[in-house]
Amino acid sequence: AQTVTQSQPEMSVQEAETVTLSCTYDTSENNYYLFWYKQPPSRQMILVIRQEAYKQQNATENRFSVNFQKAAKSFSLKISDSQLGDTAMYFCAFMKHVGAGSYQLTFGKGTKLSVIP
Amino acid sequence: GAVVSQHPSRVICKSGTSVKIECRSLDFQATTMFWYRQFPKQSLMLMATSNEGSKATYEQGVEKDKFLINHASLTLSTLTVTSAHPEDSSFYICSARGQGAFQPQHFGDGTRLSIL
Repeated sequence: AQTVTQSQPEMSVQEAETVTLSCTYDTSENNYYLFWYKQPPSRQMILVIRQEAYKQQNATENRFSVNFQKAAKSFSLKISDSQLGDTAMYFCAFMKHVGAGSYQLTFGKGTKLSVIP
Repeated sequence: GAVVSQHPSRVICKSGTSVKIECRSLDFQATTMFWYRQFPKQSLMLMATSNEGSKATYEQGVEKDKFLINHASLTLSTLTVTSAHPEDSSFYICSARGQGAFQPQHFGDGTRLSIL
């Protein structure tokens, strides 16, 4: 079974600063996808960024970027120029193909990020 | 981007009532839909997975007779909590995934269910 570990239950960052959230995973698969989702206090799960395992180039979406280290099975999220609206729970997730067109998504336990004004 | 609409956002009802929650994919066809339950300050717990036109697959420990799932079309899935009791009070979130390899899951806004 896949496991996704987020070792930082809570983090805080000053507004406009940069913060990195860590995520490691355990798998024997070679082809998979990784995601970061954000859940603000409104509780909606929002897809932040995705990374394909077979791509070496790190994904970037505006102020959000990842550091994907496949050999180390590490997938950290970097948030630059943090904004108050970035305050949320962040979940790292791993997706693999389980056959017959089905895919399994496994979530980490989440990191609560607070952006301080 | 892909939008998933979940309704209602909040339900408060008496014990013994059955509650239906709807999940719709608005701008894509969802071959697979998922229902999650989330307890306070915890991650999402997968309850069941449903494919259009077939029976849902429930995770271990989830009562299929308590949580009825219907995925009647490529854009609609419903979760019915039958004879709800206070211990069923929780935050329920649906998710939908489109066709194609490694398509991401998109989530509804969730339903806060409170059973008195």
